[in-house]
Amino acid sequence: NAGVTQTPKFQVLKTGQSMTLQCAQDMNHNSMYWYRQDPGMGLRLIYYSASEGTTDKGEVPNGYNVSRLNKREFSLRLESAAPSQTSVYFCASSENQGANYGYTFGSGTRLTVV
Amino acid sequence: KNQVEQSPQSLIILEGKNCTLQCNYTVSPFSNLRWYKQDTGRGPVSLTIMTFSENTKSNGRYTATLDADTKQSSLHITASQLSDSASYICVVSAKTGGADGLTFGKGTHLIIQP
Repeated sequence: NAGVTQTPKFQVLKTGQSMTLQCAQDMNHNSMYWYRQDPGMGLRLIYYSASEGTTDKGEVPNGYNVSRLNKREFSLRLESAAPSQTSVYFCASSENQGANYGYTFGSGTRLTVV
Repeated sequence: KNQVEQSPQSLIILEGKNCTLQCNYTVSPFSNLRWYKQDTGRGPVSLTIMTFSENTKSNGRYTATLDADTKQSSLHITASQLSDSASYICVVSAKTGGADGLTFGKGTHLIIQP
């Protein structure tokens, strides 16, 4: 099993450019999440999808949009990248949303905005 | 505001030695506490998850303890190996929260020297 697959692994953008980060899971999980990880900070939730067809804002949603394309795929879009969005982005999934479910994380996308 | 504090920030020990990492939290109402291992350039991988009624849980050479009264947890690594070099992240879940009920610590960066 591949688990959670993220593409691309690395990306450099110029300020104002747009891009979409892709995430797919093969565990038949209902819930999916996007986090960002910055130096000296814990992971912060950007958006999540409790189930196919639903999405909700997390702690730091500004500047991002998401699409739950189907049960397997959950994408994160930056419409107009800013240097403050330089970060490592992690996608995760869990069987269902809720405190008792374990999360499986992807390997991350390292994004630099210049 | 829910918070998770980890100490030390970083730690260097010799291969074969034991070490203990600390996690203090102010998350309410408490649901569970998780420890993750994050290798450089990879996503976090779950080591243990403990609920209110559990005070010890082991995963190989990793043993986590939880004192729900003092809101403290520790992760003890026995007979360290070079492959234990990683960041260790403490994550606490609140009962009332869904995806945004998880609070991540900043992690302890552990280096094992030969």
